[in-house]
Amino acid sequence: AQSVTQPDIHITVSEGASLELRCNYSYGATPYLFWYVQSPGQGLQLLLKYFSGDTLVQGIKGFEAEFKRSQSSFNLRKPSVHWSDAAEYFCAVVGGYSTLTFGKGTMLLVSP
Amino acid sequence: DTEVTQTPKHLVMGMTNKKSLKCEQHMGHRAMYWYKQKAKKPPELMFVYSYEKLSINESVPSRFSPECPNSSLLNLHLHALQPEDSALYLCASSQVSSSGDTQYFGPGTRLTVL
Repeated sequence: AQSVTQPDIHITVSEGASLELRCNYSYGATPYLFWYVQSPGQGLQLLLKYFSGDTLVQGIKGFEAEFKRSQSSFNLRKPSVHWSDAAEYFCAVVGGYSTLTFGKGTMLLVSP
Repeated sequence: DTEVTQTPKHLVMGMTNKKSLKCEQHMGHRAMYWYKQKAKKPPELMFVYSYEKLSINESVPSRFSPECPNSSLLNLHLHALQPEDSALYLCASSQVSSSGDTQYFGPGTRLTVL
């Protein structure tokens, strides 16, 4: 069965600093991978997705992610964090029956 | 437009009440989903509808009853809920229920069961 690990429960970054959120997946075949962001009490917004092709994927709000098959990773990056980026970030993989399996999430805190 | 709408935004109900959550999308998507999300946890899949037919029920208690009256609407009927059912209920949709499809989420309904 597929699984997603987000090893960091919380991360604090200074505003303007760079960000990397880690995601490792376990899936037998070629994975379909997603990053979603959720502000408190809100729904999930799609940041970016990887299906195939170029392993560096660009998303909304200046985010990007790199798929590394050898490391089973799909880490999310942003070169300069804004205070409005503070939220919960979920990595997800599509598994059996086309359902999404989410990681436990990483809460991003942005300090002034 | 990738909008999924959900009503109501908030719902408070007693354990003997009957209520319904509503979800709507006008993107022509043929797969719709219900998720339950507890605080500080990821969403958990409850139901999947594909072409208006229930295709996945993740062993959800019968006090939750989904309904898909047409390709744009998805309801979740609630009856005799327990306080532990209090959560954020998220609806999502995708073009079809296949691996390459992106799920788009609504803003959720915050449910409190007293």
